[in-house]
Amino acid sequence: DGGITQSPKYLFRKEGQNVTLSCEQNLNHDAMYWYRQDPGQGLRLIYYSQIVNDFQKGDIAEGYSVSREKKESFPLTVTSAQKNPTAFYLCASMGTSGKNIQYFGAGTRLSVL
Amino acid sequence: QKEVEQNSGPLSVPEGAIASLNCTYSDRGSQSFFWYRQYSGKSPELIMSIYSNGDKEDGRFTAQLNKASQYVSLLIRDSQPSDSATYLCAVEEYSSASKIIFGSGTRLSIRP
Repeated sequence: DGGITQSPKYLFRKEGQNVTLSCEQNLNHDAMYWYRQDPGQGLRLIYYSQIVNDFQKGDIAEGYSVSREKKESFPLTVTSAQKNPTAFYLCASMGTSGKNIQYFGAGTRLSVL
Repeated sequence: QKEVEQNSGPLSVPEGAIASLNCTYSDRGSQSFFWYRQYSGKSPELIMSIYSNGDKEDGRFTAQLNKASQYVSLLIRDSQPSDSATYLCAVEEYSSASKIIFGSGTRLSIRP
């Protein structure tokens, strides 16, 4: 099955803790993205990567970090510096067909204990 | 700051009627436009993409694009209860074709 796999589906963070959200794709897409969605809101871009070993900050990168060591994987770490991390986190990828279509994983819902 | 604007709704439409969703965008150079459907608690799924002026039809869905007016719309014919969802308009950022800007979404409710 081709697609984007996010894990875990639900995640709880304690005060002062860093947590890492996993995103894996087997679509052979070059570009990958992390978005944050708050209730009743649209998607806000956290980080994106167009190629392995390179990534750029989005609109709300503070308190987050990423790595892109493999084409298939783009993990997101929510650090203790992110004071309001409770949200729905979505990973997406985009191929190079020229159509610029982003496809999404099922999401990870992060809550603070 | 590039923007994509949508009426948040809720938009209530009777079953079987046409639902009309609208979106305006600020980036005049954008070339790619998308509509995603998002059910509550789920991730967005692509339902339409459009790249040139005019209409594009796919089943009960029609996307309309007017680049001169910086306006894109989605029509849903014969609305069904399963169409009740939030619809996100998304626009490619011209200066960075790999970035997509999302609107905040319009909540659509189909009433029996």
